[in-house]
Amino acid sequence: GIQVEQSPPDLILQEGANSTLRCNFSDSVNNLQWFHQNPWGQLINLFYIPSGTKQNGRLSATTVATERYSLLYISSSQTTDSGVYFCAVRRNQAGTALIFGKGTTLSVSS
Amino acid sequence: DSGVTQTPKHLITATGQRVTLRCSPRSGDLSVYWYQQSLDQGLQFLIQYYNGEERAKGNILERFSAQQFPDLHSELNLSPLELGDSALYFCASSVGPSGQAYFGPGTRLTVT
Repeated sequence: GIQVEQSPPDLILQEGANSTLRCNFSDSVNNLQWFHQNPWGQLINLFYIPSGTKQNGRLSATTVATERYSLLYISSSQTTDSGVYFCAVRRNQAGTALIFGKGTTLSVSS
Repeated sequence: DSGVTQTPKHLITATGQRVTLRCSPRSGDLSVYWYQQSLDQGLQFLIQYYNGEERAKGNILERFSAQQFPDLHSELNLSPLELGDSALYFCASSVGPSGQAYFGPGTRLTVT
């Protein structure tokens, strides 16, 4: 099956700092999503981005499908950004599912 | 709020018992997915249904079974329960078989 690797596994920031999270995947995909799992366990959709660049407030994401990676940028981080960030991808093949990476745990302190 | 609902939110039960987790997809979504999140295994895909038919199968144990009903809601049955089944179980839905997936709030299952 497809391999999804996220880096770094852990990230500790001061409020106001910027960060870049990376997701590498091993096969061509037709779906790539970024999620934020908050401390209460909810999985919140951040981006649906199989290719290209999107921005939503302080967050933006870029997927370079030909090179099989995606980046999530968080600017001016806030304590509420803390949690686990997951990348999930689906291979471009019928009958395959959305597969998650192990996540990046972000801790933002004030 | 993603529009995906899951019941119950919490469940505490004993080994050997049977539980049923329920999921209602977003209005208009035909595809339903089940995932298990445990501390040591991360988010594991279990099974996907699309318009009532099984679409993809992941690491679903033989003790688990699922189905999607004509009204598109889905149920995941776990029996007999083992201690290792303690986890957060998520349901997700999407319009088509491979589109953007939206996740429900999860059911936290504790097996004692």
